[in-house]
Amino acid sequence: EVQLVESGGGLIQPGGSLRLSCAVSGFAVNDHHMSWVRQAPGKGLEWISIMYSGGRTYYADSVKGRFTISRDNSNNTLYLQMNSLRGEDTAVYYCARTDNFGFDYWGQGTLVTVSS
Amino acid sequence: EIQMTQSPSSVSASVGDRVTITCRASQDIYTWVAWYQQKPGKAPKLLIYTASSLQSGVPSRFSGSGSGTDFTLTISSLQPEDFATYYCQQSNSFPFFTFGPGTKVNIK
Repeated sequence: EVQLVESGGGLIQPGGSLRLSCAVSGFAVNDHHMSWVRQAPGKGLEWISIMYSGGRTYYADSVKGRFTISRDNSNNTLYLQMNSLRGEDTAVYYCARTDNFGFDYWGQGTLVTVSS
Repeated sequence: EIQMTQSPSSVSASVGDRVTITCRASQDIYTWVAWYQQKPGKAPKLLIYTASSLQSGVPSRFSGSGSGTDFTLTISSLQPEDFATYYCQQSNSFPFFTFGPGTKVNIK
């Protein structure tokens, strides 16, 4: 059974850093493209980052230079390192298995709140 | 960046109704559209991919159509569990995905 479980969210002050984790079971994280998608409270969905199965990474302009996606193949876990956090980064963050058409498996999400 | 719009932003319908949601892309995206259902407090669920392909396990009352810039998600006979928000998403600019703003299906 495929499962994605995010963790690491919480309350953080503006300018702070946080690392999110996405523990994957049911498939190897390096066999598939993997993305992070976020959703601000009461708002729509925003794709923010992808790591290809081959390791190449891409970012949305809104997070480029501040966020870094990575993975640990031995622990089958995807990460999102978030630096220089802003109020507009407040959202539920989802990890999702990604194909060239979209996202077929999603985690349950982890809430990040950026506030002083 | 490819922009996605949806209409209506919300719709009120009754169980058994046929519901149609429209998605429009700012440029030709061929059939690179997916549709998702999201219930409050839950992750989105993939319903349709490449405009008209039904994801495994999704009931056949859901269907998708369209190509180019105009796409449609249809629920042929609305069920109680279908009250949710629906999002379209383009992948023509893979890996730079963009989503529509969502359509909320409410109980009439």
